[in-house]
Amino acid sequence: GAGVSQSPRYKVAKRGQDVALRCDPISGHVSLFWYQQALGQGPEFLTYFQNEAQLDKSGLPSDRFFAERPEGSVSTLKIQRTQQEDSAVYLCASSTGTGSPQHFGDGTRLSIL
Amino acid sequence: SQQGEEDPQALSIQEGENATMNCSYKTSINNLQWYRQNSGRGLVHLILIRSNEREKHSGRLRVTLDTSKKSSSLLITASRAADTASYFCATDSGSGYALNFGKGTSLLVTP
Repeated sequence: GAGVSQSPRYKVAKRGQDVALRCDPISGHVSLFWYQQALGQGPEFLTYFQNEAQLDKSGLPSDRFFAERPEGSVSTLKIQRTQQEDSAVYLCASSTGTGSPQHFGDGTRLSIL
Repeated sequence: SQQGEEDPQALSIQEGENATMNCSYKTSINNLQWYRQNSGRGLVHLILIRSNEREKHSGRLRVTLDTSKKSSSLLITASRAADTASYFCATDSGSGYALNFGKGTSLLVTP
């Protein structure tokens, strides 16, 4: 597709459930990023991939968060044993490389009940 | 942690007026970017200014950068109702790839 695609757009889960969020980056984009955006705040960095390699996961809030990009294209962000504080919009972005503009998807709005 | 701070937090103007938003940041940068976010949507890249540039234009947008003051401004001229959105500045300080965003300026342009 022309842009970054994220699915699902909305996800409601009960506390303690596991969730998986998908990101389809722009074809050919080497760099892929995940951000978390709380209501009324700017996005906060979670993790960064260059092709299939996860080069930085310093922003992941806890070991319940796990991201992968096994073939260097589609990426999945998984959250295990969800907590209420995980409720946020999760944004995926891709770019041609570091220092280049990042192209964002519309995000997945996650609500934990 | 949020690196940048936008000012004002909210701005309301009428169509045709100019809108100016400011951004301050804390550490040295390679570049600074401005993004727009419409409600319920992702961020759209507007403009990138490198640390060795002082001013950049793109259509109705004008961005300035003052690295000595660690600040930037975004000017939108002749605003339109469609410019209503939140505007964020983002820096790549530290890692050189992860963007650090401020809390954004919420712009409302009324017809």
